[in-house]
Amino acid sequence: AQTVTQSQPEMSVQEAETVTLSCTYDTSESNYYLFWYKQPPSRQMILVIRQEAYKQQNATENRFSVNFQKAAKSFSLKISDSQLGDTAMYFCAFMKHRSGGTSYGKLTFGQGTILTVHP
Amino acid sequence: DGGITQSPKYLFRKEGQNVTLSCEQNLNHDAMYWYRQDPGQGLRLIYYSQIVNDFQKGDIAEGYSVSREKKESFPLTVTSAQKNPTAFYLCASSTRRDRRLAYEQFFGPGTRLTVL
Repeated sequence: AQTVTQSQPEMSVQEAETVTLSCTYDTSESNYYLFWYKQPPSRQMILVIRQEAYKQQNATENRFSVNFQKAAKSFSLKISDSQLGDTAMYFCAFMKHRSGGTSYGKLTFGQGTILTVHP
Repeated sequence: DGGITQSPKYLFRKEGQNVTLSCEQNLNHDAMYWYRQDPGQGLRLIYYSQIVNDFQKGDIAEGYSVSREKKESFPLTVTSAQKNPTAFYLCASSTRRDRRLAYEQFFGPGTRLTVL
């Protein structure tokens, strides 16, 4: 079974600064996907970024980037130029690679990190 | 606009009652999921369905039941057997038809269930 651990229950950052959220996971799988989801106060889950384990290059999406260390089973999220709208709970999640054309994929979530961006 | 709708947004239940949470999607997605969110525990999978008339238990299925009679709909019933049902419930869906989205789950806005 897979486990995902987010060791920082809460983080805070000043507007325009950079913050890094940590995530570690445990799996015996070699092919999988990792995700960061954002849940703002509205509670709507939004995909921020995803990483495919077979790709060595770290994923980036505008101000969001990851540091994927496969051997260390670490997957941190860096938010640059933080904005007030980044205030949310952030979840790290794991999904095994699926084969056979099925569209099902079980997500295993970490406990979440509450990020507050201060003006 | 395509998306996932959940209703109601807030639901109150007396102990011993069954309640049904609605989840509808017009994204033409094949798979649908129900997650439960508790403080400090992230999201946990209750049930999932890959196709119509088929569904599987997730990690915490006890006390819950589902049906998938239509592709668009995946209602969740919280039965009186669920010992601690107060939580936030999220429905999600995914598809394999678009390779770019093949591993992304799209979430609804959620239902907050409170047992009185």
